[in-house]
Amino acid sequence: GQNIDQPTEMTATEGAIVQINCTYQTSGFNGLFWYQQHAGEAPTFLSYNVLDGLEEKGRFSSFLSRSKGYSYLLLKELQMKDSASYLCAVRDSNYQLIWGAGTKLIIKP
Amino acid sequence: IAGITQAPTSQILAAGRRMTLRCTQDMRHNAMYWYRQDLGLGLRLIHYSNTAGTTGKGEVPDGYSVSRANTDDFPLTLASAVPSQTSVYFCASSDRTDVGELFFGEGSRLTVL
Repeated sequence: GQNIDQPTEMTATEGAIVQINCTYQTSGFNGLFWYQQHAGEAPTFLSYNVLDGLEEKGRFSSFLSRSKGYSYLLLKELQMKDSASYLCAVRDSNYQLIWGAGTKLIIKP
Repeated sequence: IAGITQAPTSQILAAGRRMTLRCTQDMRHNAMYWYRQDLGLGLRLIHYSNTAGTTGKGEVPDGYSVSRANTDDFPLTLASAVPSQTSVYFCASSDRTDVGELFFGEGSRLTVL
């Protein structure tokens, strides 16, 4: 079966750096997405990786290793507004998105 | 503001009743999707439509139906609601089915009693 694994919850301190990991086992690979979802709101797009390596976008970076079936989302200079759930999703060989359950990130002052 | 509009935002429904969740987008995206989100689970695809006039079944289609009469609208119907359909439902769209991100509506919270 297809599977996306992420930690259920993480806690970090305002101003610090946090890395959220995602491992996947899917039938084929056509890209990996990270979405942010604040409580009670819709998911919003953060990043997309299709090739190995690091994609940087401001305070957020996303890394992909296709050979290891692994990605991480790196958040720097954490702000209170970064408290949210972070969803990892992989597009499989049929171009369907397989979603992880999400990682709830709690930021403490 | 351009994007996806869902209605209703929230609804409490008696079991056995018929319910239609509405979804409209103004981005002229070809592909549209309906997901349900339940605590502790990832988003699960109910139905999708790659282009107007076509629909397909996702991971959890039983008890739901959709139609895609035009590009903008993609309603989801529960013919006879059951308590296990209590969930938050998200409509989403994308310009293409092979690349590009999904844009989500604000969600419809449905409670079936």
